[in-house]
Amino acid sequence: DAGVTQSPTHLIKTRGQQVTLRCSPKSGHDTVSWYQQALGQGPQFIFQYYEEEERQRGNFPDRFSGHQFPNYSSELNVNALLLGDSALYLCASSTLGDSNQPQHFGDGTRLSIL
Amino acid sequence: AQSVTQLDSQVPVFEEAPVELRCNYSSSVSVYLFWYVQYPNQGLQLLLKYLSGSTLVKGINGFEAEFNKSQTSFHLRKPSVHISDTAEYFCAVERGGGNKLTFGTGTQLKVEL
Repeated sequence: DAGVTQSPTHLIKTRGQQVTLRCSPKSGHDTVSWYQQALGQGPQFIFQYYEEEERQRGNFPDRFSGHQFPNYSSELNVNALLLGDSALYLCASSTLGDSNQPQHFGDGTRLSIL
Repeated sequence: AQSVTQLDSQVPVFEEAPVELRCNYSSSVSVYLFWYVQYPNQGLQLLLKYLSGSTLVKGINGFEAEFNKSQTSFHLRKPSVHISDTAEYFCAVERGGGNKLTFGTGTQLKVEL
């Protein structure tokens, strides 16, 4: 049973570019959440998708956007990249409303902005 | 809004010694509590969770945590650590039902011989 998979594992971009990160949830999960983890910090919630719609959003600018597909996979898009966007981006999947199933995390995409 | 405080950024400990990693939270509503572990260049792995019921929760790898509502704490303990326990540990809260997780800043546990 595959867990949460993220691609790519590493990415290098320059300021001003845009980037798309991808996530496939654990089998049976219908909800995908994205987190940003800066170096030496705890993960910060970006947003959550359920039924192809953004359900919750953290304190991130509109440059951060996402999408969820009918197969529950998800993308995170970041436009106009800034140096401060350098971080590990984590995807987590869960089943909405099932408190006994905590969020499962992928290994993340490490994004470096030059 | 919820918040999580992990007062210790680093905890050095000798192998086979006991360890406690502290976590305090604040929330105006009931929350679920979690401890996650992160090994280098990896994502987060769930150690244990508290949803309700018994305040002493046992997790994987010999870890346990105790929920204390009056002190709003959820400290993580292990009676005897191993070198392989060296990692970053994160405490997190969730309002429940699949809502967002709010994490602390993490505690780096370094186990030495």
